[in-house]
Amino acid sequence: GQQLNQSPQSMFIQEGEDVSMNCTSSSIFNTWLWYKQDPGEGPVLLIALYKAGELTSNGRLTAQFGITRKDSFLNISASIPSDVGIYFCAGHIQGAQKLVFGQGTRLTINP
Amino acid sequence: DVKVTQSSRYLVKRTGEKVFLECVQDMDHENMFWYRQDPGLGLRLIYFSYDVKMKEKGDIPEGYSVSREKKERFSLILESASTNQTSMYLCASSPHGGQGPYTFGSGTRLTVV
Repeated sequence: GQQLNQSPQSMFIQEGEDVSMNCTSSSIFNTWLWYKQDPGEGPVLLIALYKAGELTSNGRLTAQFGITRKDSFLNISASIPSDVGIYFCAGHIQGAQKLVFGQGTRLTINP
Repeated sequence: DVKVTQSSRYLVKRTGEKVFLECVQDMDHENMFWYRQDPGLGLRLIYFSYDVKMKEKGDIPEGYSVSREKKERFSLILESASTNQTSMYLCASSPHGGQGPYTFGSGTRLTVV
């Protein structure tokens, strides 16, 4: 099936650092979504993007829908311990019945 | 607040048992999904349903079946549980159309011994 390449797979950072992760594909998407999964819980929606070039913030999180419609990135500024978890990107291709998910980025923060 | 509720957080079952995982949503969503999540493998789609009594195979349907008799409920069935089905199972729902966003349940961690 369709694939999203999400990178990095894991990140180990110090508290207070900024974080950047991205998803790319060879396909064109009309929706990009970013989710966070806390340990032992289900993923929770962070940001939804519906238009190429769109830049959206949610507190310390900022995500962008790439101009080519084949990529998206998520930035976290000034990381704190509760940012620990797995971050997933997901995208929708026009006409598809379901989303495509990236493999996830596991974020670990050293206090 | 909208919700997807999975009936069990933790389950331990024996090899060969028939296992039912239940998922209920209160958002009147048409679409419902079952995923399994294993370390390093991301979210893998098992089955999904876009209407009552309708079902579609996902990427890894082998060893599983589903039932959707009512719009709000989507059940995942392991006909004869095996140890390689030990995993975290996540249910999700979304409004009509494929573009989401999905709302996920809290997950069921199933261990087959």
